[in-house]
Amino acid sequence: EAQVTQNPRYLITVTGKKLTVTCSQNMNHEYMSWYRQDPGLGLRQIYYSMNVEVTDKGDVPEGYKVSRKEKRNFPLILESPSPNQTSLYFCASSLGGNSPLHFGNGTRLTVT
Amino acid sequence: GESVGLHLPTLSVQEGDNSIINCAYSNSASDYFIWYKQESGKGPQFIIDIRSNMDKRQGQRVTVLLNKTVKHLSLQIAATQPGDSAVYFCAENKSAGGTSYGKLTFGQGTILTVHP
Repeated sequence: EAQVTQNPRYLITVTGKKLTVTCSQNMNHEYMSWYRQDPGLGLRQIYYSMNVEVTDKGDVPEGYKVSRKEKRNFPLILESPSPNQTSLYFCASSLGGNSPLHFGNGTRLTVT
Repeated sequence: GESVGLHLPTLSVQEGDNSIINCAYSNSASDYFIWYKQESGKGPQFIIDIRSNMDKRQGQRVTVLLNKTVKHLSLQIAATQPGDSAVYFCAENKSAGGTSYGKLTFGQGTILTVHP
């Protein structure tokens, strides 16, 4: 089944403790992206990647890092999480250009 | 800045009725539009898309209409079912220019509730 898989689904952590949210897609998509979803603010792009070793900032990149060493994986790294990063995170992938994004089921992160 | 917005934040319909969800966009350079459905606890799910060289596109029970003159997008759902209850987002993409490649701008969403 074609899908985008994120792990974990739920994560509670403390301020400053580094964490990684993994994302993997099995559709051989070149384009991958991370979004966060917050009430009243909608979906906002954090980082995106157009291909292996090619990444760029989205609208809200501060406090996040990404890497794209393999085509299928696009982990999101929070080196020093803060409470304002408490949010619902979505990874997505697509063929690129004018093609639809396919989303994972989300990771709900709480930073205390 | 450029944005995608929705006229109605909530919509309640009876099972079997047709639903229309509206979206206004402000970037006249946008050339690709998508509708997504998001159910509780899940990620946004692709419903249908349309390119700016079209004004109508039909899928299974859904139709998207694009009016570029007034920068308006709508999603019509025929014979709405309880399983259609969800949040619906429109999104736009301006593909011209490398930095906007695949970068969708999302609206806030409309909550559709279908009563049996």
